[in-house]
Amino acid sequence: EAGVVQSPRYKIIEKKQPVAFWCNPISGHNTLYWYRQNLGQGPELLIRYENEEAVDDSQLPKDRFSAERLKGVDSTLKIQPAELGDSAVYLCASSLVSYTGELFFGEGSRLTVL
Amino acid sequence: AQTVTQSQPEMSVQEAETVTLSCTYDTSESDYYLFWYKQPPSRQMILVIRQEAYKQQNATENRFSVNFQKAAKSFSLKISDSQLGDAAMYFCAYRSDMEYGNKLVFGAGTILRVKS
Repeated sequence: EAGVVQSPRYKIIEKKQPVAFWCNPISGHNTLYWYRQNLGQGPELLIRYENEEAVDDSQLPKDRFSAERLKGVDSTLKIQPAELGDSAVYLCASSLVSYTGELFFGEGSRLTVL
Repeated sequence: AQTVTQSQPEMSVQEAETVTLSCTYDTSESDYYLFWYKQPPSRQMILVIRQEAYKQQNATENRFSVNFQKAAKSFSLKISDSQLGDAAMYFCAYRSDMEYGNKLVFGAGTILRVKS
């Protein structure tokens, strides 16, 4: 079974440029998460989807970040315009709607903003 | 809001030895879940072990076991017979039972180095 797939793995951009990250969750997983992981820190939740509905986006900086999950499968996270402080690894995870707590993570997209 | 604290930024262990990673958390809830996740250098995080707060018995998974002290709000991970493949960043995470869905709150992580 394929795991969570993310792309691109690495992205280097100039500040004020836009960037987008894509995530394909494990087939059948209703819940999808975007986390941001700063260097040397634990992941912090940006947004959580239940199917196509964003049920928790309280930590998403909505002035520059946006996300969508069309048809409740793939998801895209966009930053426009990027700032130096956005340099981080953006992790996508998915899970079944359950109380087991196991999230399945992708390998992440490392963003460097110059 | 719940917080998770990992006070050891880095730990080292000799191959085949035992190491314990510490985690404390802060919550006012009585029902919740605790997890240890492992993040190898490739960055894909995987679940190591899970503990339900209502269970008094400590969880074990092969060489991995936890010491769950609910009153002290402590949740340490013990790795026995350490192997080179155990080298990774380890994250402690908390999940509320009050909230539908799997929103995890992570600690800052502990880097584990395994010496041969």
